[in-house]
Amino acid sequence: KAGVTQTPRYLIKTRGQQVTLSCSPISGHRSVSWYQQTPGQGLQFLFEYFSETQRNKGNFPGRFSGRQFSNSRSEMNVSTLELGDSALYLCASSFIRGTYNEQFFGPGTRLTVL
Amino acid sequence: GIQVEQSPPDLILQEGANSTLRCNFSDSVNNLQWFHQNPWGQLINLFYIPSGTKQNGRLSATTVATERYSLLYISSSQTTDSGVYFCAVGPTSGTYKYIFGTGTRLKVLA
Repeated sequence: KAGVTQTPRYLIKTRGQQVTLSCSPISGHRSVSWYQQTPGQGLQFLFEYFSETQRNKGNFPGRFSGRQFSNSRSEMNVSTLELGDSALYLCASSFIRGTYNEQFFGPGTRLTVL
Repeated sequence: GIQVEQSPPDLILQEGANSTLRCNFSDSVNNLQWFHQNPWGQLINLFYIPSGTKQNGRLSATTVATERYSLLYISSSQTTDSGVYFCAVGPTSGTYKYIFGTGTRLKVLA
């Protein structure tokens, strides 16, 4: 099976712009989660989607949003970029059965905001 | 919410040495994973281990769910073991998110 893919891998934007990141989960996985990793804050949960529904959202401002499509692919969008949004954005996909929920991560998108 | 603490924060070893990394969590969980983050940022799955003991080559892990901790053992360390090791727990009932510890940064010297 192909792993989790994320595009683009690297991105440079300027303050005030917006950005859209994409994640394709492992085939058969219906849950997609997004995380932000920065040196100061570590790995922080952004949101989780399952069957096109957002089930959980982390403590991030409304500038961070996401969606999931019927084929389980997911996108996240950050509007009005700030310097502090520079980070590695990681996507994880899961196959969920009962309480079993093992996450598999993509290679990440490294966003730099200038 | 659940708190996840990892120790030690940093570890430097000579090649061939053994090490134990610890993960403490503050509440009962349904899932627990160990990851190795390589220098390019990729999180590599090491173990899915909500309870019990597992081994994979030179690595093994034990989770004692009733006492809320997990241990990752690395034997005969190699320079390629360098990187950051994360413990992540969750999701618990009513939430769908994993909580990550702050990681253990391991450097193995040749």
